[in-house]
Amino acid sequence: GQQLNQSPQSMFIQEGEDVSMNCTSSSIFNTWLWYKQDPGEGPVLLIALYKAGELTSNGRLTAQFGITRKDSFLNISASIPSDVGIYFCAVLTGANNLFFGTGTRLTVIP
Amino acid sequence: DTGVSQDPRHKITKRGQNVTFRCDPISEHNRLYWYRQTLGQGPEFLTYFQNEAQLEKSRLLSDRFSAERPKGSFSTLEIQRTEQGDSAMYLCASSATEPEAFFGQGTRLTVV
Repeated sequence: GQQLNQSPQSMFIQEGEDVSMNCTSSSIFNTWLWYKQDPGEGPVLLIALYKAGELTSNGRLTAQFGITRKDSFLNISASIPSDVGIYFCAVLTGANNLFFGTGTRLTVIP
Repeated sequence: DTGVSQDPRHKITKRGQNVTFRCDPISEHNRLYWYRQTLGQGPEFLTYFQNEAQLEKSRLLSDRFSAERPKGSFSTLEIQRTEQGDSAMYLCASSATEPEAFFGQGTRLTVV
């Protein structure tokens, strides 16, 4: 079955540091999205990517859609305590629903 | 409109009881999705509506689960004869023609 592997699974960083996480697939997908989820809440959309090689920014967040269409990266610059949460990548499947990755849990130490 | 609204936020029920959850999508969104999320996992797709038509159903959606969107606006998800394995967060999401789905805060179900 399809899988989206995210790495790292978890990371602990100092406030102010930059963060990088990635998401890989064994299959090609044409739309990639990044979500952030706080405990007890639904996921919140951060960035959507539609074109291979595309680099998109949203404030301190930057995401890239890999040229092979099998991966994506999310970078967070100058992390702050409210960046804490679980970051999920997701892809749009042929059945018009989202398939989510395994998540990267981010902890920011003040 | 402030976003996708789900009710209730929390539900505790005894095994074997039926439960129903409601989702009110963002008003101009014609697509509505239900997902289930268990602890430590990403959301898993259950079913998808375009307007009032249910177009996709996951194999996760057993016969005890039914979802409706009668007028193409709000949706309900019913679970009959609940089992302990049904304990999870049930998430609703909506989208317009773009694939970007916006999620509600979820309904956390605990079956005891």
